[in-house]
Amino acid sequence: QVQLVQSGAEVRKPGASVKVSCKASGYTFTGYYMHWVRQAPGQGLEWMGWINHKSAVPNYAQKFQGRVTMTRDTSISTAYMELSSLRSDDTAVYYCARDGPTTGGYFDYWGQGTLVTVSS
Amino acid sequence: DIVMTQSPESLAVSLGERATINCKSSQSVLYSSNNKNYLAWYQQKPGQPPKLLIHWASTRESGVPDRFSGSGSGTDFTLTISSLQAEDVAVYYCQQFYGPPFTFGQGTKLEIK
Repeated sequence: QVQLVQSGAEVRKPGASVKVSCKASGYTFTGYYMHWVRQAPGQGLEWMGWINHKSAVPNYAQKFQGRVTMTRDTSISTAYMELSSLRSDDTAVYYCARDGPTTGGYFDYWGQGTLVTVSS
Repeated sequence: DIVMTQSPESLAVSLGERATINCKSSQSVLYSSNNKNYLAWYQQKPGQPPKLLIHWASTRESGVPDRFSGSGSGTDFTLTISSLQAEDVAVYYCQQFYGPPFTFGQGTKLEIK
């Protein structure tokens, strides 16, 4: 069965960076885009970007351009999302989510989420 | 960016009754080339990631109970739960995948009356 298992919770100070991993299993990793979506405490869902499954070229939401880097390591079926210059309003649960099989842009499987807390 | 607006923000329905959640997009998410609406619905329970219920506005995912249905086209969409069960208490989100950035509605919290 499809599983996305994310790395554990992180605490960072403002201005630091954080890198979250997402290990995929149960499907062909290189067959699907991987997206990242975040959710601030008590808030809604915000799409951050995706990484192309074949070319590894990312596409970032404009809001995160210059601060986010999405990469993947196909040898271990793992996607990564690194966010830099962290601010307190980056405190959120970060999810990886697999692209839907029929077309791009919706999310059929999700990781369990990684809480990133930014606090001095 | 396409703005997604859900209504109501919260909803209380009696067990066994119908629940209806609305979603409106700021521009059409209907692709004329294939006549498909690029609209999905998710359910999120506390402490869990979202779960995909419906894509193409009305295509239910495998394993999703048939009491969940989606309808609408263009800019106006509805998620209907025909007979509310206790396990349906959750926050529901619509999402457009017409084009990046992919955007979500603000969520509708569904509770038992």
